[in-house]
Amino acid sequence: GAVVSQHPSWVICKSGTSVKIECRSLDFQATTMFWYRQFPKQSLMLMATSNEGSKATYEQGVEKDKFLINHASLTLSTLTVTSAHPEDSSFYICSARDRQGPNTEAFFGQGTRLTVV
Amino acid sequence: AQKVTQAQTEISVVEKEDVTLDCVYETRDTTYYLFWYKQPPSGELVFLIRRNSFDEQNEISGRYSWNFQKSTSSFNFTITASQVVDSAVYFCALSEGLIQGAQKLVFGQGTRLTINP
Repeated sequence: GAVVSQHPSWVICKSGTSVKIECRSLDFQATTMFWYRQFPKQSLMLMATSNEGSKATYEQGVEKDKFLINHASLTLSTLTVTSAHPEDSSFYICSARDRQGPNTEAFFGQGTRLTVV
Repeated sequence: AQKVTQAQTEISVVEKEDVTLDCVYETRDTTYYLFWYKQPPSGELVFLIRRNSFDEQNEISGRYSWNFQKSTSSFNFTITASQVVDSAVYFCALSEGLIQGAQKLVFGQGTRLTINP
């Protein structure tokens, strides 16, 4: 299957700093990528839909100015957590669909564990 | 609105026992997709199965089997002869629409399965 790579796998940052997480489709092009957040022992919740060349679409309750999403190419989307606070500590995971593949597959990255201290 | 319910928060069984994880979903759409994912402690999501709403045929893959019942809006997952390596959190998920396909997923709360030696 197609490979989606996230970087970094884990990151620890100080409160008030910004952290950038990358999501790359390694062997396919993805016009759309999705960012999910998972708090400890909870389910995955969709944060936003990242569209190549246009603005991201955010789910209700997600602050777009705090979670900046950039989808500058068909293989890369980035999520920047700005002015991070301890409550932003979570597991962030992206998924991507192959634009030329069947409309039934979404491939997940390995996730990024963010800890804000 | 879409909703996925996994009523079993945690299940613990002894190795070699069979175990069934329940999943009930709600959707107004006639075309939708159902998924099961495994999330080991490392965090990545491991794809197990995808089923579209037009295919009610049950599926077996090794020790895994799935029972899709549209009449009860359920998509249950059974592990036969469980093994310690099956210990993980299992998520049932739903996506709607022929056009959207597998792009945006709504996840259930997850079931933490522990297989004891």
